[in-house]
Amino acid sequence: GAGVSQSPSNKVTEKGKDVELRCDPISGHTALYWYRQSLGQGLEFLIYFQGNSAPDKSGLPSDRFSAERTGGSVSTLTIQRTQQEDSAVYLCASSSGQGLGNTIYFGEGSWLTVV
Amino acid sequence: GQNIDQPTEMTATEGAIVQINCTYQTSGFNGLFWYQQHAGEAPTFLSYNVLDGLEEKGRFSSFLSRSKGYSYLLLKELQMKDSASYLCAVRSEGAGSYQLTFGKGTKLSVIP
Repeated sequence: GAGVSQSPSNKVTEKGKDVELRCDPISGHTALYWYRQSLGQGLEFLIYFQGNSAPDKSGLPSDRFSAERTGGSVSTLTIQRTQQEDSAVYLCASSSGQGLGNTIYFGEGSWLTVV
Repeated sequence: GQNIDQPTEMTATEGAIVQINCTYQTSGFNGLFWYQQHAGEAPTFLSYNVLDGLEEKGRFSSFLSRSKGYSYLLLKELQMKDSASYLCAVRSEGAGSYQLTFGKGTKLSVIP
């Protein structure tokens, strides 16, 4: 596609429910990142996928968070048993690879509110 | 780990010049990015530096000194639409992974 596409744009869920957030990266981009941004805060790294390599999961805040990337393209971030502190915007970004200067492009984000 | 510092807020006058500083401490440095983020929107790419020196792109310029762990973003001829948060991000390489770590951002307010 022309840009990084994320869905849903907005999600309100009850505490304790599971949510799935989807990211469709720019066509041909092999690197994919998930970040979380709480209101008024900086971007917090969650997970990074690069091609067929094992993902870098070092930023996932707890075992309630998981992500997968099927076929090297679309990625799904899953949050189980959501808590109110999970409320944030979840941003997905992609780039064309590891080479120097590969610009990282962001999607519009999925705004999650846990009530 | 990585540590990135930038001022929380800045105010500047329309038409003026403003410099936003960023200092970082990281291992495996692999480039520094500046992003602009308007409230409620996704970050958009502004500039990239991997070698020391100044990169100029229209009204925006970015400088890097790797030995000092220092960068700045220079905005000239400020316009009201430049009011936004400016994010400094450092890419680092470790164990085959390229991680991009963001600072907390500098909120710039441009006043008439």
